[in-house]
Amino acid sequence: GENVEQHPSTLSVQEGDSAVIKCTYSDSASNYFPWYKQELGKRPQLIIDIRSNVGEKKDQRIAVTLNKTAKHFSLHITETQPEDSAVYFCAASMNYGGSQGNLIFGKGTKLSVKP
Amino acid sequence: EAQVTQNPRYLITVTGKKLTVTCSQNMNHEYMSWYRQDPGLGLRQIYYSMNVEVTDKGDVPEGYKVSRKEKRNFPLILESPSPNQTSLYFCASSPFGLRTDTQYFGPGTRLTVL
Repeated sequence: GENVEQHPSTLSVQEGDSAVIKCTYSDSASNYFPWYKQELGKRPQLIIDIRSNVGEKKDQRIAVTLNKTAKHFSLHITETQPEDSAVYFCAASMNYGGSQGNLIFGKGTKLSVKP
Repeated sequence: EAQVTQNPRYLITVTGKKLTVTCSQNMNHEYMSWYRQDPGLGLRQIYYSMNVEVTDKGDVPEGYKVSRKEKRNFPLILESPSPNQTSLYFCASSPFGLRTDTQYFGPGTRLTVL
């Protein structure tokens, strides 16, 4: 089945710097790749996603890139702020005959932004 | 207010005592899902449902059951809980499966099985 690897497991940056989190997936049938942010003690929240027919997507300070050939996708956060501190999860969805329901998550990256 | 609710939020129980965690959404979403979150393992999908009476296994379905008799409800059933099912559980919903940029998570249920 699908396997999603996420790196690094922890990341510490200075406020204003950029942060990059990388994920690789194993199943070429996966075609939906969301990213979630989870603050301490709270529920995960979808922050951005990308589909396999798109190479890059941006939303203000957040961007995601996808390389289908290499089967990896990355989250880029620019001009980091202390409120970006959280655990970030990548995920990949397998396509079972048109049904996209099975979501496999990476193990998470704890991002710390130091003021 | 659009939301996903879970009950109970916290539960301590003993091995073998059947329990149900309820999940309800008021957004008329077709898709609902259950995840468990464990330290170092991230989020793992237990079961999901694409619509009423349509359910399928996720990554870690063993020891769990679900049902989807109504669109708004998706209860998670542990027939005979064991200590390895101690975890933080999240329910989530979204319209039209995962072909969307909005998946709403519930607040979580922290389960301890002694």
